[in-house]
Amino acid sequence: AQKVTQAQTEISVVEKEDVTLDCVYETRDTTYYLFWYKQPPSGELVFLIRRNSFDEQNEISGRYSWNFQKSTSSFNFTITASQVVDSAVYFCALSAPTGANSKLTFGKGITLSVRP
Amino acid sequence: GAGVSQSPSNKVTEKGKDVELRCDPISGHTALYWYRQSLGQGLEFLIYFQGNSAPDKSGLPSDRFSAERTGGSVSTLTIQRTQQEDSAVYLCASSLGFLRGQYFGPGTRLTVT
Repeated sequence: AQKVTQAQTEISVVEKEDVTLDCVYETRDTTYYLFWYKQPPSGELVFLIRRNSFDEQNEISGRYSWNFQKSTSSFNFTITASQVVDSAVYFCALSAPTGANSKLTFGKGITLSVRP
Repeated sequence: GAGVSQSPSNKVTEKGKDVELRCDPISGHTALYWYRQSLGQGLEFLIYFQGNSAPDKSGLPSDRFSAERTGGSVSTLTIQRTQQEDSAVYLCASSLGFLRGQYFGPGTRLTVT
């Protein structure tokens, strides 16, 4: 069975603070993929990143960075110098294909509020 | 290019009625997914289509739910004899194929009264 745990439910920060969103996953598969999605108030899920289980190199994209650690089954997401526009619900997801289905298993999401 | 589109954006229906929700995936995307987002259950997988293969219906919560995908493009999710617990946002996603990033539509908010 696959499971994604986002223990933080709500985080509130002041603009320009750094913030880390935690994600812990469970799977028995050796090949799997991890994702982060952003859901702004408009409601549409926006794809942010995909990582595969064989690539533990951390990734940075502008103010966003991701830390993948297989040893702790974690895939954490850090926003540096947060902005009000970062306010959204962030979902971590896992895909460990069984058969031909690459469905996503989502965490419960973290609501991030960035105050000016 | 155009993203995933869904219609209607909102649907209010009476308990016991049937509803149809439509999804237009990104052109050229062979994989199509339906998910449901509700307060109590979060985001749940419902059904998956990949090309001409038989769909994976393992996430459908009951036999009142069905979906089809015509011509490898547009998909329709049908809920028969709607119940109040079916109230949720129904999200459609498409991708270029197996294990590629999934791109989501804006969703259809279904309210069953």
